[in-house]
Amino acid sequence: ILNVEQSPQSLHVQEGDSTNFTCSFPSSNFYALHWYRWETAKSPEALFVMTLNGDEKKKGRISATLNTKEGYSYLYIKGSQPEDSATYLCASLNYGGSQGNLIFGKGTKLSVKP
Amino acid sequence: DSGVTQTPKHLITATGQRVTLRCSPRSGDLSVYWYQQSLDQGLQFLIQYYNGEERAKGNILERFSAQQFPDLHSELNLSSLELGDSALYFCASSVLDRGLPNTEAFFGQGTRLTVV
Repeated sequence: ILNVEQSPQSLHVQEGDSTNFTCSFPSSNFYALHWYRWETAKSPEALFVMTLNGDEKKKGRISATLNTKEGYSYLYIKGSQPEDSATYLCASLNYGGSQGNLIFGKGTKLSVKP
Repeated sequence: DSGVTQTPKHLITATGQRVTLRCSPRSGDLSVYWYQQSLDQGLQFLIQYYNGEERAKGNILERFSAQQFPDLHSELNLSSLELGDSALYFCASSVLDRGLPNTEAFFGQGTRLTVV
């Protein structure tokens, strides 16, 4: 069974703080790493899909890096705003076994205080 | 709006009953995934269909089954319901590239199932 771990489970920051959190995933037979943003009462929305070791992606104040050899990805938020409050999910896609399914971590819940 | 439609949004039913959850994927997406989110749990993968065929199976109970129809909509059937089956059930769809989704998955709004 593939496990995707995210840390921390929750994070409380002040508006303007920069923050980051971690996703650990199986490095063997790796294919892709997804990041999703999940706001309360809404459905998860994709932020990034990364496939290559060393990949860095950026969308506004949010960026992500990927290390496929050691099996981790970091998500960074620069200058957090209250509207960034959400649960951030990562999901790993690996070859073999049940191909084609995304295995999700439990998420990091971010709360940004004004 | 992700383009993925799930019905119903809420469902309350008694233990022992059977329910069907429905999902219509985004136009053009051949792959449908079902996930369960219980209290304090992340998104647990249940099952995936691609163009009508089962592609992958996760921790899906034998009491649960799913299918994808020729028009690509999918149904998740939950039977002999137990209190512990109360959860938010998400459907997602994606485009598959070379057999694996290297593009993002789009999620529906979910069906909140409450078993009493």
